Amino acid sequence: NAGVTQTPKFRILKIGQSMTLQCAQDMNHNYMYWYRQDPGMGLKLIYYSVGAGITDKGEVPNGYNVSRSTTEDFPLRLELAAPSQTSVYFCASSSRKGANEKLFFGSGTQLSVL
Amino acid sequence: QKEVEQDPGPLSVPEGAIVSLNCTYSNSAFQYFMWYRQYSRKGPELLMYTYSSGNKEDGRFTAQVDKSSKYISLFIRDSQPSDSATYLCAMRAAGNKLTFGGGTRVLVKP
Repeated sequence: NAGVTQTPKFRILKIGQSMTLQCAQDMNHNYMYWYRQDPGMGLKLIYYSVGAGITDKGEVPNGYNVSRSTTEDFPLRLELAAPSQTSVYFCASSSRKGANEKLFFGSGTQLSVL
Repeated sequence: QKEVEQDPGPLSVPEGAIVSLNCTYSNSAFQYFMWYRQYSRKGPELLMYTYSSGNKEDGRFTAQVDKSSKYISLFIRDSQPSDSATYLCAMRAAGNKLTFGGGTRVLVKP
């Protein structure tokens, strides 16, 4: 019962470097999300996907890209890392969109850009 | 002004006490209200879900929604050290994205 798995757990990047945060779920969920969590600021939606091949922007998409080639995987790409992208990143998935949608979160990736 | 306001805490209580948490919001279109619990270095997990105004009880947890005051609450009875975590409120309007509060850190001391 893995649920939502995120890798890596921690990463330090230099300004201008690129990296991909991996997210995989084994619950056959159609909906997947990427959030960032800054201290005291709540979770902000970066990108989301309603199924394989379909993605859309959230509140704070600038500086990020996503792809969804399979139901299971939803990687988040940072092309030119900036200090403002220092944050904790959470991937989440759900089986349905609607009033009582229940999100299942991964354990997060703590990213520092120096 | 943030759309959802939540006191960051920390809120420190002795074991067995009632923990009282709340959020205020400005968007009158919010209809669906949730509380998530987040342990240190873990992702949030859904604790309670409430639609519109009213109360909902689940074991030691009670969620209340007062739409007229734009105010929601979560009460934890007989608090345990294992309840020490950050509690995030979240809410949405019909068909819209979920908006999270900043979270309140709770410490339950044995």
